[in-house]
Amino acid sequence: GQQLNQSPQSMFIQEGEDVSMNCTSSSIFNTWLWYKQDPGEGPVLLIALYKAGELTSNGRLTAQFGITRKDSFLNISASIPSDVGIYFCAGQPYTGTASKLTFGTGTRLQVTL
Amino acid sequence: DSGVTQTPKHLITATGQRVTLRCSPRSGDLSVYWYQQSLDQGLQFLIHYYNGEERAKGNILERFSAQQFPDLHSELNLSSLELGDSALYFCASSAREPGAFGQGTRLTVV
Repeated sequence: GQQLNQSPQSMFIQEGEDVSMNCTSSSIFNTWLWYKQDPGEGPVLLIALYKAGELTSNGRLTAQFGITRKDSFLNISASIPSDVGIYFCAGQPYTGTASKLTFGTGTRLQVTL
Repeated sequence: DSGVTQTPKHLITATGQRVTLRCSPRSGDLSVYWYQQSLDQGLQFLIHYYNGEERAKGNILERFSAQQFPDLHSELNLSSLELGDSALYFCASSAREPGAFGQGTRLTVV
């Protein structure tokens, strides 16, 4: 099945550092979603973006919907140990078409003290 | 706690067998989505039910089927299991985006 390209694939960062990751697609999406998955758990929705160019924050997390509609970015500021996990982006051609949701390959984040 | 309940959490079975995975959506949600997560394929959409009716099918094998009951819980039936069916199976419910995922069922086929 199709997957979106996420980078980096994994990253080690020090506590307190800022983190950036991105997701690219060959197709246009009209909704971008960012999820976090902890070990042994299901993905949890962090941020949803519905408009090209939109910048949305959720606490220390900020995500942006790329102008081309083919990419999205997630930033985490001042990382803490509980940020450890796998972050997935996901795109939908239209809002409400969750059956057509395509997930990214994931970015594994590990934080060192 | 997402409010989505999946049982069982772990399942080990032999090739050729049939299993049933169960999902209870979050209160108030009418949609249930099933996903398969494997190491090589990532998260893949399988099937979507809304208020008892099948709404969309994704990469779901013919050996797999699902249904949603009047109380809105859903079951995913996997038959003639193969080693390659070993994966995490998640269900998600939502009013809009699939924001609430269950903890998943880890299926191991031996």
